[in-house]
Amino acid sequence: AQTVTQSQPEMSVQEAETVTLSCTYDTSESNYYLFWYKQPPSRQMILVIRQEAYKQQNATENRFSVNFQKAAKSFSLKISDSQLGDTAMYFCEIPKFPPQGGSEKLVFGKGTKLTVNP
Amino acid sequence: DTGVSQDPRHKITKRGQNVTFRCDPISEHNRLYWYRQTLGQGPEFLTYFQNEAQLEKSRLLSDRFSAERPKGSFSTLEIQRTEQGDSAMYLCASSLASGTLNTGELFFGEGSRLTVL
Repeated sequence: AQTVTQSQPEMSVQEAETVTLSCTYDTSESNYYLFWYKQPPSRQMILVIRQEAYKQQNATENRFSVNFQKAAKSFSLKISDSQLGDTAMYFCEIPKFPPQGGSEKLVFGKGTKLTVNP
Repeated sequence: DTGVSQDPRHKITKRGQNVTFRCDPISEHNRLYWYRQTLGQGPEFLTYFQNEAQLEKSRLLSDRFSAERPKGSFSTLEIQRTEQGDSAMYLCASSLASGTLNTGELFFGEGSRLTVL
C-alpha cells in the first residue's frame, strides 16, 4: 500500500529563520510527481511546490525549496526567511497508483502545523 | 474564471437528513476530486472523476454517499441519512491531467463544512 508519512504534527519557528518539514512516502512507481500544499487557517489549500521524481534537481520556488531523496523516498520542504504568513498546515501529497494499472489518485499526509512566531 | 467554487459553504442538518454539495471546477479541468477533512487531519480521498467518468471510489464511502459529474462539468456529492460521524469539511479540487500521470496541481475550493446534529 502506498502511504505518506509526515512525522512532525506541529512545528514552530521564529520569524526570519529557516524550518524544514519532513515527508516520507512509499511507492513502487518510478515516475511520478510530489507536491507540498499549504492550508492557512480557515482558508483554502494552495500549492506550494512540486517536484518531478525523474529530475535530480531539487525544486525551488522563492523561499521554498525541497530536498528530494528518491532512493530514500524522502521529500522534505525547507522554508527560508520564515514569515508570519507562512503559518499554516502543510501537507505532502503523492499520487497513488492502483495495482491493476490506470489513473492515479492523490494521497495526502496528515499534515504538519507550522507556526511562525514574531 | 474565479477558480473552484463549492456550495453551500456551511450546512447544519439533523441526523437522518439528506444533504447535497455542489462543486464547480475550473472550466477546462478534466479531473475533479472529492476529499473529506476533519479537524487537524489531512484530506482523505473520497472519489474522483475524469470528465464524467467516476474512476475510483474510496472504501471510506458507504452506500449512503454518491457522487456524480454529469456532462463532465460540475459535480454533486450527496449524503443520505446523515450520521454525526459525517461531520467534516468536504473539499473539492480540480486539475488538468493528460494521459495517466497527473502532472498538474490541484486547485481546491474553500470547502463545504457539514455539521450533523
